[in-house]
Amino acid sequence: EVQLVQSGAEVKKPGETLKISCKGSEYRFTTYWIGWVRQMPGKGLEWMGFIWPGDSDTRYSPSFQGQVTISADKSISTAYLQWSSLKASDTAMYYCARTKVIGGSQGYFDLWGRGTLVTVSS
Amino acid sequence: EIVLTQSPGTLSLSPGERATLSCRASQSVSSNYLAWYQQSPGQAPRLLIYGASSRATGIPDRFSGSGSGTDFTLTISRLEPEDFAVYYCQQYGSSPRTFGQGTKLEIK
Repeated sequence: EVQLVQSGAEVKKPGETLKISCKGSEYRFTTYWIGWVRQMPGKGLEWMGFIWPGDSDTRYSPSFQGQVTISADKSISTAYLQWSSLKASDTAMYYCARTKVIGGSQGYFDLWGRGTLVTVSS
Repeated sequence: EIVLTQSPGTLSLSPGERATLSCRASQSVSSNYLAWYQQSPGQAPRLLIYGASSRATGIPDRFSGSGSGTDFTLTISRLEPEDFAVYYCQQYGSSPRTFGQGTKLEIK
């Protein structure tokens, strides 16, 4: 089955580091962008950034530039989202989503992971 | 940045009725690169429509999208119980990619 499998829920303290993962299966991982989307509790969807797993070309939303790091390991078909110093305001559900290439750029999200819930609390 | 404004915020209808959801962009969406997603409670979003009017694989034909430029519409012709969810529009024609704030479709 074509799917994105995300790592499990995390509970962290402010200031801690975290890296969550998103593994693609049953499709050519290096032929789609992977996007990350944040959903804060009870709120809407926010695009964070994209990565092209083939060469790790990365694009960030201005709102998230410098706040997170997106990376990938194409050898294991996995993308990552990481924080170097978590804040309480990072508490949210984080989705990865396969992103169709449209006109040579990043298109719509055609396949979503189930999400990773990150809770940051002292 | 393109701001997408969805209306109404909440839509209360009964099964079998027709739903019309609106998404208005603050500036023209390039090449009508607009998508619609459905998010049921506790679930990940699901792609319904891309390119403003093309249905994604496996999406029932009661879902249809229309519009161009700055005004887009998602129509659900006859509501089924599983259609009551939150719907988001998203533009992918310019950066940063942006989503609308969502329309909650609830059972009347």
